[in-house]
Amino acid sequence: EVQLVESGGGLVQPGRSLKLSCLASGFTFSNYGMNWIRQAPGKGLEWVASISSSSSYIYYADTVKGRFTISRDNAKNTLYLQMTSLRSEDTALYYCARGTGPLLWGQGVMVTVSS
Amino acid sequence: DIVLTQSPVLAVSLGQRATISCRASQSVSISSINLMHWYQQKPGQQPKLLIYRASNLASGIPARFSGSGSGTDFTLTIDPVQADDIAAYYCQQSRESPTFGSGTKLEIK
Repeated sequence: EVQLVESGGGLVQPGRSLKLSCLASGFTFSNYGMNWIRQAPGKGLEWVASISSSSSYIYYADTVKGRFTISRDNAKNTLYLQMTSLRSEDTALYYCARGTGPLLWGQGVMVTVSS
Repeated sequence: DIVLTQSPVLAVSLGQRATISCRASQSVSISSINLMHWYQQKPGQQPKLLIYRASNLASGIPARFSGSGSGTDFTLTIDPVQADDIAAYYCQQSRESPTFGSGTKLEIK
């Protein structure tokens, strides 16, 4: 069974950092592009960042460019999102999602930025 | 960025047809491949793929769900609507970095 399990979320103060992880199983992780997508409480879906299968191509939404870094470790079947200079508007449920076309989603991890 | 526009709410009666539309600010088709996908999201759950590349039913999805469209105009149809279909529905394009419609909440009339 294909599974994506996010971790690393929590409550963090504005300006601080947090690193999310997404452990993949049930498929050959190194064959797929991966994404982080977020959903603020009661709101829609917002793409955050994408990384190609070999990390050759990386893209960010303008709202997080320069503050967030997406990376992956294919040997560990794990996707990461390093978030720095966090703001209140970064508060959201963060999903890890597989693919470069239609997406397969993890269950999400909550990040709350508040003092 | 490609902007996707959806109506926020659609109210239909049980057993009737629901038609949810998604309009893109520019074509999301490449060489007749329509790079538009549809998801269902119920409260407290992650989005679930319903339709990929505009008209292909994802694995395990009931045949009452169907998709159509090309270029900039796409439609998700649910026929007949069942109580379990109450959810938010999002379109997503993959011609460029992913963008999503703002979602359509399906309600029972």
